Amino acid sequence: GAVVSQHPSRVICKSGTSVKIECRSLDFQATTMFWYRQFPKKSLMLMATSNEGSKATYEQGVEKDKFLINHASLTLSTLTVTSAHPEDSSFYICSARDPQTSGVINEQFFGPGTRLTVL
Amino acid sequence: GQNIDQPTEMTATEGAIVQINCTYQTSGFNGLFWYQQHAGEAPTFLSYNVLDGLEEKGRFSSFLSRSKGYSYLLLKELQMKDSASYLCAYMDSNYQLIWGAGTKLIIKP
Repeated sequence: GAVVSQHPSRVICKSGTSVKIECRSLDFQATTMFWYRQFPKKSLMLMATSNEGSKATYEQGVEKDKFLINHASLTLSTLTVTSAHPEDSSFYICSARDPQTSGVINEQFFGPGTRLTVL
Repeated sequence: GQNIDQPTEMTATEGAIVQINCTYQTSGFNGLFWYQQHAGEAPTFLSYNVLDGLEEKGRFSSFLSRSKGYSYLLLKELQMKDSASYLCAYMDSNYQLIWGAGTKLIIKP
């Protein structure tokens, strides 16, 4: 099946620094990737939809200047949390659709997630 | 609107059967998904329903009634490893997933 990886799996940083999270589709080309965040005991919240070669589409309330998304290739999307603050601490998860297998059901394959802790 | 509801928590006994319900309201619908999520991990796909009826896959089955905006996930022969959160999500007219808050399932011996 389609595999999505994320790196790093866990990161701790100081307030004011920037953190980059990578999301890779390992065995397929993903024209569309999604970035979610999840707070403890809460559901997934879609932050943005990342399309290869174009600007990401951000959900209402998500600051595009704070959460920079780049989807430069068909297998890699990155999320950069700029000037991170403690309230940005969360579980960030990416997902991707494999056009060849998602097809009818539009299934999303999820990465393992990145736990960000901002001190 | 984007309303989707499921119980916050359920408890069941090992070896038993449990049904997790999900209701939703939407003007555009392209299918209903169930995902399993263990604590600290990403969700994993369980099932997809786009037509009314029951889809069976091993110990797990999922049901959909589009007219009622209702789905359930049925887990049989419960095992301790089934302790997890179960997320339902519908796909809207823009093919975006709209997620429920998840149901934490606790399995007791």
